[in-house]
Amino acid sequence: DAKTTQPNSMESNEEEPVHLPCNHSTISGTDYIHWYRQLPSQGPEYVIHGLTSNVNNRMASLAIAEDRKSSTLILHRATLRDAAVYYCILRDGQGGSEKLVFGKGTKLTVNP
Amino acid sequence: DGGITQSPKYLFRKEGQNVTLSCEQNLNHDAMYWYRQDPGQGLRLIYYSQIVNDFQKGDIAEGYSVSREKKESFPLTVTSAQKNPTAFYLCASSNRDRGSYTFGSGTRLTVV
Repeated sequence: DAKTTQPNSMESNEEEPVHLPCNHSTISGTDYIHWYRQLPSQGPEYVIHGLTSNVNNRMASLAIAEDRKSSTLILHRATLRDAAVYYCILRDGQGGSEKLVFGKGTKLTVNP
Repeated sequence: DGGITQSPKYLFRKEGQNVTLSCEQNLNHDAMYWYRQDPGQGLRLIYYSQIVNDFQKGDIAEGYSVSREKKESFPLTVTSAQKNPTAFYLCASSNRDRGSYTFGSGTRLTVV
């Protein structure tokens, strides 16, 4: 079973910020928080990952709660190309578990 | 550019036939994975391999077989024992110390 919980769907307007939440209350100390997104009929695409500190890259920002039991993926200005299913996944940083487990993710709709 | 190549993009199979899906990567990644995705669902792990000549069953391995004779290649055979083979199949690879997974563009298999 997936170890994360995400809303089934979210909606945003173009050029507005989007905050995609993820709960992972059973996270262990060595689990990294990964985010991927999947456009229709394509393979998932890596977005960002982090362990404890907030992370930024050209695609998005990842805000991690102090207790690490939840995180938020932030798209600063949504575009129509950001419409996708977003998956929040935990990955063991020690490499002990190579089974990346996907839930159903959050389907993001971006309105023009 | 490095990446993962899956072929073919679309595949049609008659009931009772085995079919092999190709997955090749030139990223020098140690680990490779096969996932299955059904409409509106998340990804489910079929098989994974962490090193050459070794692989492990995932959550839904029944009716599938794999081989890992070369680091670059991880073909998946869908056998006639798989009762519901029509699905979108995704191959991925990763290195433990790099964190992220890279996915191929997928093969859509339809049983006719």
